Amino acid sequence: SQTIHQWPATLVQPVGSPLSLECTVEGTSNPNLYWYRQAAGRGLQLLFYSVGIGQISSEVPQNLSASRPQDRQFILSSKKLLLSDSGFYLCAWSYTQATEAFFGQGTRLTVV
Amino acid sequence: DAKTTQPTSMDCAEGRAANLPCNHSTISGNEYVYWYRQIHSQGPQYIIHGLKNNETNEMASLIITEDRKSSTLILPHATLRDTAVYYCIVRVDNQGGKLIFGQGTELSVKP
Repeated sequence: SQTIHQWPATLVQPVGSPLSLECTVEGTSNPNLYWYRQAAGRGLQLLFYSVGIGQISSEVPQNLSASRPQDRQFILSSKKLLLSDSGFYLCAWSYTQATEAFFGQGTRLTVV
Repeated sequence: DAKTTQPTSMDCAEGRAANLPCNHSTISGNEYVYWYRQIHSQGPQYIIHGLKNNETNEMASLIITEDRKSSTLILPHATLRDTAVYYCIVRVDNQGGKLIFGQGTELSVKP
């Protein structure tokens, strides 16, 4: 069966520090991968999606970047965090032929 | 992908059917209607999807109007655990790519 792992569950980081959130998927190959952010309650904002290794599409200009160094690994990074980067970050995957998407449990990031 | 419009919030009595509407008047012929829900502080969970026929699974039923410009998600016997934000999304299938969420409907099931 397929599983998605996302860590850490919570993170408190000072302004100006770097960020690296990792997401891995097991039990499938060549998945579509997604990073979302949810700030202040509901409303999931799509940040990045990837349809293959090294292929990253960015949805909104921001202080973040994403990379996909391996087929089932998706990394969200920042060189210098801002207060506005605080939020609930969710990784998700779907089959290439795109039926439903499966979400990780999320990382709650607080920038202080 | 087409945009969707949902009410901000709804209440439902426990044990009654919850009917959540969604308008997607600009939907195109090859776009599917998907429903997800998000319980507080968890990742969204897929519920159901359809193209033009009504669909039913163990969680819910999806009713799509004949002109496909709107749909309704039905939870036949709502429980307290169904309290969540429900998202209606339309997207093209079989192409991969992005999955865009709107603001959703916050459903409160009350005893």
